[in-house]
Amino acid sequence: NAGVTQTPKFRILKIGQSMTLQCTQDMNHNYMYWYRQDPGMGLKLIYYSVGAGITDKGEVPNGYNVSRSTTEDFPLRLELAAPSQTSVYFCASSYENYQPQHFGDGTRLSIL
Amino acid sequence: AQSVTQLDSQVPVFEEAPVELRCNYSSSVSVYLFWYVQYPNQGLQLLLKYLSGSTLVESINGFEAEFNKSQTSFHLRKPSVHISDTAEYFCAVSDDYKLSFGAGTTVTVRA
Repeated sequence: NAGVTQTPKFRILKIGQSMTLQCTQDMNHNYMYWYRQDPGMGLKLIYYSVGAGITDKGEVPNGYNVSRSTTEDFPLRLELAAPSQTSVYFCASSYENYQPQHFGDGTRLSIL
Repeated sequence: AQSVTQLDSQVPVFEEAPVELRCNYSSSVSVYLFWYVQYPNQGLQLLLKYLSGSTLVESINGFEAEFNKSQTSFHLRKPSVHISDTAEYFCAVSDDYKLSFGAGTTVTVRA
C-alpha cells in the first residue's frame, strides 16, 4: 500500500517555465489537498478537491491550477513560474470530513 | 476560519527530559484537533488526534495531548524524550474539510 505518492521529489525551474507536480493516492480517498511549506510559516493550503471533478481554492491559489479527473490523481500545475513559488509542496488525502490527512513525501521546487 | 498558534518556534531539550509543546486554537462550536510530526526531508505523519470523547489522547510512542475547551488549548507532552524525537511538530485544527496548521515547533533533543 503506497499511500500518497508525489513526483518529482526535486526540481529546478527557470523563471517563466511551467510544470506539473504529480500526486496519486491508492486509498480511495475522496478528499485531496495541495499545500506549500515555507520556513516558519507552517503549511498553507493551495487547492483542494472533495471528489473527482470538484476543486476549490485554498488560501494561496494564485499562480497555480489543479484538476481532478479521477479519484486517484490530483496534479498541480504551475504556469509562468516565479521565484516566490520556491517552496516544498505537499499533497495529502483523507477519507472524509474531519479525518486525519495522509501526506506524501513532498516535492522540493526551486525557481531561479 | 479557524486559526492555530504554536507558542514556541524552537524547543531544545536534553535526552530523557520532559517536553511540552503549546498549541492554542480559535474557538469553535465543534473542533477536531491533530498533532503531526515531520522528520527531516519527509512528509507529515499523524502523531495523535482528538475527535471526541476523552480529553486526553495518547500516541503509540509516548506522546500525549490534552484537549482543554475552556482554554482553547491542545498542548503536546512527552515525559522523557529520545534523540529520535528530534523533528518539527505541527498542531492543526479541522475547519470543515480543510486543516489549518500552526507555524510549527522544532524540537532538538541533545544527549
